[in-house]
Amino acid sequence: EAGVTQFPSHSVIEKGQTVTLRCDPISGHDNLYWYRRVMGKEIKFLLHFVKESKQDESGMPNNRFLAERTGGTYSTLKVQPAELEDSGVYFCASSQDPHRISPLHFGNGTRLTVT
Amino acid sequence: GDSVTQMEGPVTLSEEAFLTINCTYTATGYPSLFWYVQYPGEGLQLLLKATKADDKGSNKGFEATYRKETTSFHLEKGSVQVSDSAVYFCALSSGSARQLTFGSGTQLTVLP
Repeated sequence: EAGVTQFPSHSVIEKGQTVTLRCDPISGHDNLYWYRRVMGKEIKFLLHFVKESKQDESGMPNNRFLAERTGGTYSTLKVQPAELEDSGVYFCASSQDPHRISPLHFGNGTRLTVT
Repeated sequence: GDSVTQMEGPVTLSEEAFLTINCTYTATGYPSLFWYVQYPGEGLQLLLKATKADDKGSNKGFEATYRKETTSFHLEKGSVQVSDSAVYFCALSSGSARQLTFGSGTQLTVLP
């Protein structure tokens, strides 16, 4: 079984540019999550999809961030325009059931550097 | 709101030493508690979990006991190996939340 895959693994962009991160969850997993770790601090929740619907987007920092999951398969997270404080590692995770029952499967993350 | 506080790192130990990484939490209700581990170049993996008070989670020689009275979930291992070098994250989920609240992570380096 393929795990959660994310790409790119690294991205370096200039302030003001646009970046799109992609996440492919494990096949059949309806629940997809985005998390972010900034500056070696705690990992913070961004949002949660159930299939193609946004179940909870309370962690999205501002309207420069746009997440989509068309067709309920892969998801993209777009940052436009990027700011310096957006630098960090963006993790995607998926689960078949709500994670209180089954564990979250995480991808390796995308390291975003905004210069 | 919910929060997790874990021991500041980095932690450096010699092989076969005893490991404790402290974790305390603040949450509404009765959260489920987790330890995740991130090995170099990899994603986070669930190491162990406990879903109610006094439960002990264990895996790969690691243990943690859910202590409601002290709101703690400290991670322990009796004899660490070089291969245990990684970043360890304490986390919780509470109520109907379908999200995890993480601590800041503790970098562990084990020297041969």
